[in-house]
Amino acid sequence: DAKTTQPTSMDCAEGRAANLPCNHSTISGNEYVYWYRQIHSQGPQYIIHGLKNNETNEMASLIITEDRKSSTLILPHATLRDTAVYYCIVRVSLGNQFYFGTGTSLTVIP
Amino acid sequence: EPEVTQTPSHQVTQMGQEVILRCVPISNHLYFYWYRQILGQKVEFLVSFYNNEISEKSEIFDDQFSVERPDGSNFTLKIRSTKLEDSAMYFCASSDLGGARDTGELFFGEGSRLTVL
Repeated sequence: DAKTTQPTSMDCAEGRAANLPCNHSTISGNEYVYWYRQIHSQGPQYIIHGLKNNETNEMASLIITEDRKSSTLILPHATLRDTAVYYCIVRVSLGNQFYFGTGTSLTVIP
Repeated sequence: EPEVTQTPSHQVTQMGQEVILRCVPISNHLYFYWYRQILGQKVEFLVSFYNNEISEKSEIFDDQFSVERPDGSNFTLKIRSTKLEDSAMYFCASSDLGGARDTGELFFGEGSRLTVL
């Protein structure tokens, strides 16, 4: 089952950075942190993942605390199309399925 | 960009009928998954499949459910005798674990909406 805790909902002004927090205090050393999002009822979309280092790609940045007990997904310049439910997932190494929690519903406001 | 495709996009069936949902995973992927999402609820894992056998399944995946890879491209989910509570969006996903891009990323299809009356 899901091992993460996320706020139920957040708002962000268009053009501003959206910072989505996630707690995963029971994470183990070999567990990765993944972020997915789901726009309306579409299939979940991969955003980014990391183990212990901060990561950045064309969509977002992932900041993982040194103790790995929490992380933050950053969307640097939120647009209206970023309105979605964002899921933070921990996954044991590579080869196990993902367990989705309830996620954070992000609303980007014009 | 390669994608996971699912058919049908929407199926309406009577309670007790058999339903087969079809998925075409990304061609070089080795791991396949089914998830479901009841309206307004979270995405739930059903089953994972590797090397022509189930590698893991959840409590939801009871004897009414089965999966099959009948040929080199399709991956199917069968529900033998549908119940009202099977109404949900069913998502197929695939992964290239062990492949050159081995990120562990799951690629999801757009889903098949099942409505049981």
